[in-house]
This record gives sequence, structure tokens and C-alpha cells, in this order.
Amino acid sequence: QSALTQPASVSGSPGQSITISCTGTSSDVGGYNYVSWYQQHPGKAPKLMIYDVSNRPSGVSNRFSGSKSGNTASLTISGLQADDEADYYCSSYTSSSTPYVVFGGGTKLTVL
Amino acid sequence: EVQLVQSGAEVKKPGESLKISCKASGYSFTSYWIGWVRQMPGKGLEWMGIIYPGDSDTRYSPSFQGQVTISADKSITTAYLQWSSLKASDTAMYYCARQRVTQVNKVYYYYSMDVWGKGTTVTVSS
Repeated sequence: QSALTQPASVSGSPGQSITISCTGTSSDVGGYNYVSWYQQHPGKAPKLMIYDVSNRPSGVSNRFSGSKSGNTASLTISGLQADDEADYYCSSYTSSSTPYVVFGGGTKLTVL
Repeated sequence: EVQLVQSGAEVKKPGESLKISCKASGYSFTSYWIGWVRQMPGKGLEWMGIIYPGDSDTRYSPSFQGQVTISADKSITTAYLQWSSLKASDTAMYYCARQRVTQVNKVYYYYSMDVWGKGTTVTVSS
């Protein structure tokens, strides 16, 4: 199955805002509001940052926000901090003869 | 505290069998689905499948169907991922995670994974 498409890398300076895109199809991102975003620091387990397109779990900074337009979801991080440097993955429910979850290929965020 | 504690690193030879575990605590184990995610060295996340410990209903990604077996023992609040014959390409980090799932008109929708284990490294080498 095809992974969702994310840019391989993005970068920004402390205090700036960045946006990571996640492009799918009408069978996944575009068809359902079940997009999630995960942060993964090196050697650590992923951490849920955004669920159901735009909701933040308790304890996640409000500097993280999510949105969706058509087949593309986006994660925006405002007020970049050094600790935001990590890999970010989007995921979505996908419909098929056997429904499952598809992840994006991941985006490496570098804080300059 | 809600947590998932995974078993330790494994080093195996091709052709050997393996069963890794994920012990849940701090919540009702039989009320939430548990999913498994593979991360090969230097690569991204791949969703393998999920199980509902309440009745052992199990679903697999098409890519992993027939390659692994997911199971659970609700008496000890533990989920498992197993292989009957390992290959070198199974070398990876494997994570378990609690997954939100809802059913509407007999269709299951898989949402986010909100609690993750720390992962189990599996190395398969001759």
C-alpha cells in the first residue's frame, strides 16, 4: 500500500512557525477526519500530538495545531523551540477491501 | 498511570520463532484495541494490525496478513506479536500502542494511537 506523502525535511529558526504537509487521497486523508500526527525523538517511541485532524491531547502544547483541506492535512508548529526538533509522522484511516491505518513517510524537523 | 510495557530486545536466527509481549496497566485492558507498529532501521512507521482483547477480534494490514500473528491474554493484560519463521527482513523496532477504534454500521474505523510502549528491538541475523 502507498504511504501518505510528507516532505522529507523542513527547518526553521527558534520562534518561527513551520508547516508540515501530508498528502493522501479521497480514500484516506480526504475521505475521513481520522488524521493523526506523531512526534518521534531519536531512539524514543512516537508520541501523539494531534488526533482527528485538529485536536490536541491533554498535555500537548497549544503551539501545535492541525488542519485539513481536501486530500492534504497539515501540522503547524508555532514559536519553534529546540526540543521540537524530531521526526513527525502523519497517519490516517484508509478504506479498502481491508481497512487499515496508513502512515506518512515522516518529516525531519530541524531547528536551526 | 496508563502504560504499556514491552518485552526486552531479541536476537534470533533466520527460521526461528519469536513471541514478543506488551503488558498493559492503568486502564481497562478489555475495553481498548491494541495495535502493533513496525519501524525498520532508519525508516518510517508501518501499521501492522490490531486486536481487541475483550474478544480477541484481530485485524491485519494487507502487508502483514499471514506474516505475523497478533494475540492477547486478558487474564494477564498482555498482547503479543509472534512470528513462526523469522527472516532477516523482520529486523526492526516493534511498538505496541493503544488504538482508538469505533464501529459504525459494521464498519470499523481506526483512529489515533494515544499510548505507546517503548518498543522491542528484534534483530534477525545468521
